[in-house]
Amino acid sequence: EVQLVESGGGLVQPGGSLRLSCVASGFTFRDHYMDWVRQAPGKGLEWVGRTRNKVNSYTTQYAASVKGRFTISRDDSKNSLYLQMNSLKTEDTAVYYCARVSLAGAREFDYWGQGTLVTVSS
Amino acid sequence: SYELTQPPSVSVSPGQTASITCSGDELGDKYASWYQQKPGQSPVLVIYQDSERPSGIPERFSGSNSGNTATLTISGTQAMDEADYYCQAWDSSTAVFGGGTKLTVL
Repeated sequence: EVQLVESGGGLVQPGGSLRLSCVASGFTFRDHYMDWVRQAPGKGLEWVGRTRNKVNSYTTQYAASVKGRFTISRDDSKNSLYLQMNSLKTEDTAVYYCARVSLAGAREFDYWGQGTLVTVSS
Repeated sequence: SYELTQPPSVSVSPGQTASITCSGDELGDKYASWYQQKPGQSPVLVIYQDSERPSGIPERFSGSNSGNTATLTISGTQAMDEADYYCQAWDSSTAVFGGGTKLTVL
């Protein structure tokens, strides 16, 4: 059974930093691209960014809203995905989901974690 | 930046067919995916590559994509289908989600 478990959320002041983790199980983690998607309270889904697999040099992509502030990384030996968030703003308040990208076309998110809430507030 | 537009809400009677649209410039030239999200839960993929159903998704869910509009169709809608639905596509190496449609079954 595919499982994605996020952790690391919490309350942080504007300008602060936070690191989220996502531990994967039930599939060959190293084969998949992995993404982060967020959802502000009562709002829709917003893509945050992606890390590709080793075959694709672990390259990353980011949404314009977080580029230069957020960094996505992974450790295939630990089946883990990370999101380092710096210079946090109040508008970054959201539930952050890690999502597995399907192998077929790398276009859809076929499994999601339960999410971890990040609140940016003074 | 690329935008996907969905109606905020759609209502349907039990057993009837619900259609949820997603509009974007030349969306038919891209692949569209659809996600279902029930209150307090994580999104679930229900349609990918315009019309493909993941294993475990009921046959009553179907999709199409042509021109500027992708459509999610739920035939014989059940009360358990009441949820928010989001379309998603890729543009310029960025994943874009529609604003979401709240499906009410009444």
